[in-house]
Amino acid sequence: SQQGEEDPQALSIQEGENATMNCSYKTSINNLQWYRQNSGRGLVHLILIRSNEREKHSGRLRVTLDTSKKSSSLLITASRAADTASYFCATALHGSSNTGKLIFGQGTTLQVKP
Amino acid sequence: ETGVTQSPTHLIKTRGQQVTLRCSSQSGHNTVSWYQQALGQGPQFIFQYYREEENGRGNFPPRFSGLQFPNYSSELNVNALELDDSALYLCASSLPGLQADTQYFGPGTRLTVL
Repeated sequence: SQQGEEDPQALSIQEGENATMNCSYKTSINNLQWYRQNSGRGLVHLILIRSNEREKHSGRLRVTLDTSKKSSSLLITASRAADTASYFCATALHGSSNTGKLIFGQGTTLQVKP
Repeated sequence: ETGVTQSPTHLIKTRGQQVTLRCSSQSGHNTVSWYQQALGQGPQFIFQYYREEENGRGNFPPRFSGLQFPNYSSELNVNALELDDSALYLCASSLPGLQADTQYFGPGTRLTVL
């Protein structure tokens, strides 16, 4: 079963608006990452936030992590048509034996209309 | 674009056949992971290879097997193909240890089983 669940499943906004997507997970984690996927192609790593961090920024991206609620959010500010893609959260479990074994949610499909 | 390449891009097989998918890692990355992504779903971890040995496996049957070569390239083999094996197969390379959680994905191989 999936560890993470993204919400909403689909999001449609106008260019220039902000997009917020959420991710919930079930077990303790080392870190949580967000990836983007364009049209069924390979995934692109966007940002990683460690379990001891609460917020992280990268360009127009802002990620928060609340380990007490087992949830994370990804905010894309001033969206562009090129941001149209599917966005996935991925968790990395505790323990060295789990390193690199990512568990993905089902994703949020974002459409940014020009 | 990452430096991870996969071949072939698309593949059509019939039920019961065997298939081999190939992946070339990003330079300097000695860890490779394989994921299966069904349509509309997030990627599911199949297995990971490190220094030519399997280093963890997801919930996939033994007919899914892999190899990693001294140059860190990798193969995914699937025997006795089933219709449900139709999916996008993604290869991801990473640095070892704690850096393995950040993964660099190839464009994927789209497998269709008829």
